[in-house]
Amino acid sequence: LAKTTQPISMDSYEGQEVNITCSHNNIATNDYITWYQQFPSQGPRFIIQGYKTKVTNEVASLFIPADRKSSTLSLPRVSLSDTAVYYCLVGAGDPGNTPLVFGKGTRLSVIA
Amino acid sequence: DGGITQSPKYLFRKEGQNVTLSCEQNLNHDAMYWYRQDPGQGLRLIYYSQIVNDFQKGDIAEGYSVSREKKESFPLTVTSAQKNPTAFYLCAARDRGPYGYTFGSGTRLTVV
Repeated sequence: LAKTTQPISMDSYEGQEVNITCSHNNIATNDYITWYQQFPSQGPRFIIQGYKTKVTNEVASLFIPADRKSSTLSLPRVSLSDTAVYYCLVGAGDPGNTPLVFGKGTRLSVIA
Repeated sequence: DGGITQSPKYLFRKEGQNVTLSCEQNLNHDAMYWYRQDPGQGLRLIYYSQIVNDFQKGDIAEGYSVSREKKESFPLTVTSAQKNPTAFYLCAARDRGPYGYTFGSGTRLTVV
C-alpha cells in the first residue's frame, strides 16, 4: 500500500481557501486517492475521491497532477465548522478490498 | 436510510472482563472493518472481513476477536488479554470497487 505524507496541522481564518497537500510517491497504477473528514468522537466521513486531474463536488475540490505522486484537497471559504482532522488515503483500486491505511491526518483549525 | 449502526455508544469494562461491541450494516456491502483510535492518533486496523465466514487480522489484532456469521453483522470482542483497551472503536463497511468506506458513529470503551 502506498504511504502518504501530509502536514500534521494547519490553521486558517474563516472565509479563506485552505489547501492541504498529500504526497504519495509510491502510488500504484490502479490506486485511487480518497480524502476523509473526522470530527471529534465521530467516524470519518468521505469527502472526495479521484484518480487523476481534477474532481469537484459540493464540498471540496481535489487536484491531482499528471504524475499522481501528490494530491491537494481544496476547501473553499472555510468556516468554523470545517475544523476537523482530514485524512488522505491511497488505494482501493484492487478488487480484493485491501484495507486502507489511515495515517494521523492533518488537523485543521479554523479561527474566527 | 442506509448506514452502519454501532452500539453501545459508551461502554465501561472492568478489569478481566470480555466485552462485545456491535456493528450492523444495511448497505449490503461485502467488506467490513474494525479500527481503533487513541487520542490524537490515526486509525489502526484491528480485524477485517471481506466475505461471510472469513476474516483476517489487522495490525493490532492481539487481545481481540471477531465473527462474521451474517453479511450484516461484524461484532468485535475485546478480551481480557487486551491490556490497554480504553479507546474509540470504529466499524466500517465498503462495497467492491474504488469506493470509500462508510463508518459508524463509534463506541468509546473505558476500563474502570
